[in-house]
Amino acid sequence: EDQVTQSPEALRLQEGESSSLNCSYTVSGLRGLFWYRQDPGKGPEFLFTLYSAGEEKEKERLKATLTKKESFLHITAPKPEDSATYLCAVQASGSGYALNFGKGTSLLVTP
Amino acid sequence: GAGVSQSPRYKVAKRGQDVALRCDPISGHVSLFWYQQALGQGPEFLTYFQNEAQLDKSGLPSDRFFAERPEGSVSTLKIQRTQQEDSAVYLCASSLGGTGARETQYFGPGTRLLVL
Repeated sequence: EDQVTQSPEALRLQEGESSSLNCSYTVSGLRGLFWYRQDPGKGPEFLFTLYSAGEEKEKERLKATLTKKESFLHITAPKPEDSATYLCAVQASGSGYALNFGKGTSLLVTP
Repeated sequence: GAGVSQSPRYKVAKRGQDVALRCDPISGHVSLFWYQQALGQGPEFLTYFQNEAQLDKSGLPSDRFFAERPEGSVSTLKIQRTQQEDSAVYLCASSLGGTGARETQYFGPGTRLLVL
């Protein structure tokens, strides 16, 4: 059975304090790994898609990386506006086109 | 405003009532998905449409849940005889192509359903 586990569940950072969020996955065949950001009361907002091990993508202070077993979302010099829940999801080749989400990491960045 | 829209944004229902939730996908998007998100959890897949065809309904939790997309654009998720455990945020997402594979799914703001 496909599984996605995110850690930590919650993370509190000072503004400017870099860190990483982890997404571990087990799937029968990975079509893609997706990162989303979700603010309270809103739907998930797309950040990145990674397709194969070794791939990296960057956007502003965020950088996503992928290995065969996990993905990291690195946050460099975060700002309070980066506070949100970050969701990781996998699309597996044996599971149709559904995204299988982790529970998310709730990030709080304080000034 | 070219994003996915959902209505109503909030719905309070008494146990046993039927509810209908609407999703307007991004114009031209072929694939449409429904997800259910419980408090503090990630979204969970309910069902998938390619145009008007419902190709995957493996995530629907019971036969009280029914979804349709009759003209291949707007979709409605209907829940009959609502139960308290149906309380959740219902998210709709759409993607451009017909395969659904490896494509970005764009989410709407969700409908928050509370069953009393």
